[in-house]
Amino acid sequence: EAQVTQNPRYLITVTGKKLTVTCSQNMNHEYMSWYRQDPGLGLRQIYYSMNVEVTDKGDVPEGYKVSRKEKRNFPLILESPSPNQTSLYFCASSLFASGGQDTQYFGPGTRLTVL
Amino acid sequence: AQSVAQPEDQVNVAEGNPLTVKCTYSVSGNPYLFWYVQYPNRGLQFLLKYITGDNLVKGSYGFEAEFNKSQTSFHLKKPSALVSDSALYFCAVRALQTGANNLFFGTGTRLTVIP
Repeated sequence: EAQVTQNPRYLITVTGKKLTVTCSQNMNHEYMSWYRQDPGLGLRQIYYSMNVEVTDKGDVPEGYKVSRKEKRNFPLILESPSPNQTSLYFCASSLFASGGQDTQYFGPGTRLTVL
Repeated sequence: AQSVAQPEDQVNVAEGNPLTVKCTYSVSGNPYLFWYVQYPNRGLQFLLKYITGDNLVKGSYGFEAEFNKSQTSFHLKKPSALVSDSALYFCAVRALQTGANNLFFGTGTRLTVIP
């Protein structure tokens, strides 16, 4: 089944404890992206990747890191999480990295709480 | 710069009545517009998109959207609402400045269909 998977789905952690949220897609998509969803703010892009080893900042990149060593995986790393990073996180992917017409497919989300 | 406005945080409609979820946009050049739906505890699911051509776009689950260039709107519609349509709906426009397939999302509209 074609899908975007994220792990873990739920995570409660403490301030400063490094964590990684994994994202994987099995559709051979070029483009991958991370968003965070907060009430009243909709989805805001954190980082995106147009291909292996090509990543760039979105609108809210502070406090996050990403890597794209393989086409299928795009992990989100929080080196020193803070309570303002408590949010619902979504990974998404699309077949092509540019052109604008492509549909993005979303993972199920990761609900992160930082105490 | 691009922007998307969903002027209603909440829309209530009776089951069987037509529904409309509003979206207006601002973007340089030709807009690529998308609607996504988020059911409780689920990721975002693609409903439909406008790229070019017919102003009336048909999508999943009986939804359609009308692109209106003069009013810069892309309202989501359904002729007869179902209780199962109750969800959070997001309008999005492709962000053009990076060349990548980045999406810029509205803040979302919560639709409640009353039995």
